[in-house]
Amino acid sequence: EDQVTQSPEALRLQEGESSSLNCSYTVSGLRGLFWYRQDPGKGPEFLFTLYSAGEEKEKERLKATLTKKESFLHITAPKPEDSATYLCAVRIQGAQKLVFGQGTRLTINP
Amino acid sequence: DARVTQTPRHKVTEMGQEVTMRCQPILGHNTVFWYRQTMMQGLELLAYFRNRAPLDDSGMPKDRFSAEMPDATLATLKIQPSEPRDSAVYFCASGFRSRDSPLHFGNGTRLTVT
Repeated sequence: EDQVTQSPEALRLQEGESSSLNCSYTVSGLRGLFWYRQDPGKGPEFLFTLYSAGEEKEKERLKATLTKKESFLHITAPKPEDSATYLCAVRIQGAQKLVFGQGTRLTINP
Repeated sequence: DARVTQTPRHKVTEMGQEVTMRCQPILGHNTVFWYRQTMMQGLELLAYFRNRAPLDDSGMPKDRFSAEMPDATLATLKIQPSEPRDSAVYFCASGFRSRDSPLHFGNGTRLTVT
């Protein structure tokens, strides 16, 4: 069964304190791994897509990386506005749907 | 910025009542998805459509849920009769049929069944 597991469930950091979120996956054939950000009361907002091991994508203070078993979302010198739930999802071969992990709730204290 | 539009944003209803949620996908997108989000289960896929045809509705309780796309600009999700366990946030998302296409989500309908 295709499975996506995110850790930790929640993470609290001080402003400027860099860290990483983990997304491990077990799928029959990966067509893409997606990172989303979700703010309270809003729908998930697309951040990145990664397709193959070794690939990296960057956007402002965020960098996503991919291996054959997991993906990391690195947050460098975060600010309070980076506080959100970060969701990881996989698209498997032969399907268009995304299978989501449970998310990591990130809080950045000023 | 084009967005997926969902109505209503909030719905409170009594057990046994019919609930209809509506979604306007982004113009030109040919795949539409319905997801349900709860604290316990996270985001679960209920159903999805390509070019208005249902492709997979295995995530939906068939006896009470139904999803349709009457035209390319409207997708509906109905629950009849509603039950308290249906309380959740229901999201619609749309995209293109390609591996490069992410899904774009609306802001959801928060459903409370009492």
